[in-house]
Amino acid sequence: AQSVTQLDSQVPVFEEAPVELRCNYSSSVSVYLFWYVQYPNQGLQLLLKYLSGSTLVKGINGFEAEFNKSQTSFHLRKPSVHISDTAEYFCAVSDGRAQKLVFGQGTRLTINP
Amino acid sequence: GAVVSQHPSRVICKSGTSVKIECRSLDFQATTMFWYRQFPKQSLMLMATSNEGSKATYEQGVEKDKFLINHASLTLSTLTVTSAHPEDSSFYICSATSGTDTQYFGPGTRLTVL
Repeated sequence: AQSVTQLDSQVPVFEEAPVELRCNYSSSVSVYLFWYVQYPNQGLQLLLKYLSGSTLVKGINGFEAEFNKSQTSFHLRKPSVHISDTAEYFCAVSDGRAQKLVFGQGTRLTINP
Repeated sequence: GAVVSQHPSRVICKSGTSVKIECRSLDFQATTMFWYRQFPKQSLMLMATSNEGSKATYEQGVEKDKFLINHASLTLSTLTVTSAHPEDSSFYICSATSGTDTQYFGPGTRLTVL
């Protein structure tokens, strides 16, 4: 069975500071990894995904993530955050075949001016 | 591209009534749609997976007779909450995929049962 752990439930950061949101997963098979963002009272928007190939993945809104197979991690990073990045961020894993997504608990990113 | 819509965005109903939520893929054909439930400040829990023209596959613990799912076409799936009760109040989100590796999510439906 697959599982995802987001190590931080809340991350407060000052505007223009860098941020890293941590995600670890467990799976016995090859995985696809995703980061989604959810703004209040809205659905999820895909930020980026790792399927194969380069372990450094670049997404929308200046975010990037690095797949580390040995550490079973897929941490999300942004070098300089904006107030508009305030949202809930979800890491998710899929084995691809069933296409089922297993989500982490979410990390609430709060940007302070 | 890859836009998914949901209707209604929010609904309030009386206990004992049924509510239907629609999920549409607007610019692609969705071979598979998923229904999720999200409680306040929590993650998404998969309720069921539906393939066009087939019966939905429900996750363990989800009552199939209470949450009726229909996926009659490649662009539309519906979730009907039958005999709704206050504990069914939640945020329901659908997603769709065209058979690729990525799910695209709708904006969600806020259900409040009085």
